[in-house]
Amino acid sequence: KNQVEQSPQSLIILEGKNCTLQCNYTVSPFSNLRWYKQDTGRGPVSLTIMTFSENTKSNGRYTATLDADTKQSSLHITASQLSDSASYICVVSVAGNTPLVFGKGTRLSVIA
Amino acid sequence: DGGITQSPKYLFRKEGQNVTLSCEQNLNHDAMYWYRQDPGQGLRLIYYSQIVNDFQKGDIAEGYSVSREKKESFPLTVTSAQKNPTAFYLCASSPGTGGNTGELFFGEGSRLTVL
Repeated sequence: KNQVEQSPQSLIILEGKNCTLQCNYTVSPFSNLRWYKQDTGRGPVSLTIMTFSENTKSNGRYTATLDADTKQSSLHITASQLSDSASYICVVSVAGNTPLVFGKGTRLSVIA
Repeated sequence: DGGITQSPKYLFRKEGQNVTLSCEQNLNHDAMYWYRQDPGQGLRLIYYSQIVNDFQKGDIAEGYSVSREKKESFPLTVTSAQKNPTAFYLCASSPGTGGNTGELFFGEGSRLTVL
């Protein structure tokens, strides 16, 4: 069964600190992986996409990694800001005509 | 501006009533989706449509119905048969499907509360 597991479930960090969110997937055949940011009460917004051949991709203070061999991805946030407080959702796309597979998300709280 | 619009943002319903949530997109996307989000849970797929006049059930379709008469519109009806309808509902669209879905563009969501 295609599944996406995210950890930790929730995380609290001080403003200015770094953090790393994890995403493990058992999806086959793999097409790509996206990280979305969802502010409370809003719709998710895409942060970055990782394809099979990509290991690392950055988007400002966000850096995503992908290890296709171990089927793991991480999202690293550098110098966190209060506005980073949100849920971060890992979504894996399956090759073929199968719907996307969603993780349950990590709830990040950045406090002053 | 191009985007996806959901309405209403907040909706209250009495038990036994049907309610319809609106979703409109002007991105010219072929695929549209409805997801349900409950506290502490991930997004769960209710229905999706890849082309006009065609749609498929997702993981939790029971108690819901949809239509896709126009490319731009994909309304969701929450029927009285849905046993626990209180939730946050998200509509999304994408340029492709399956392995070529591309980026999902989400609406701002509709929060349904059953009184």
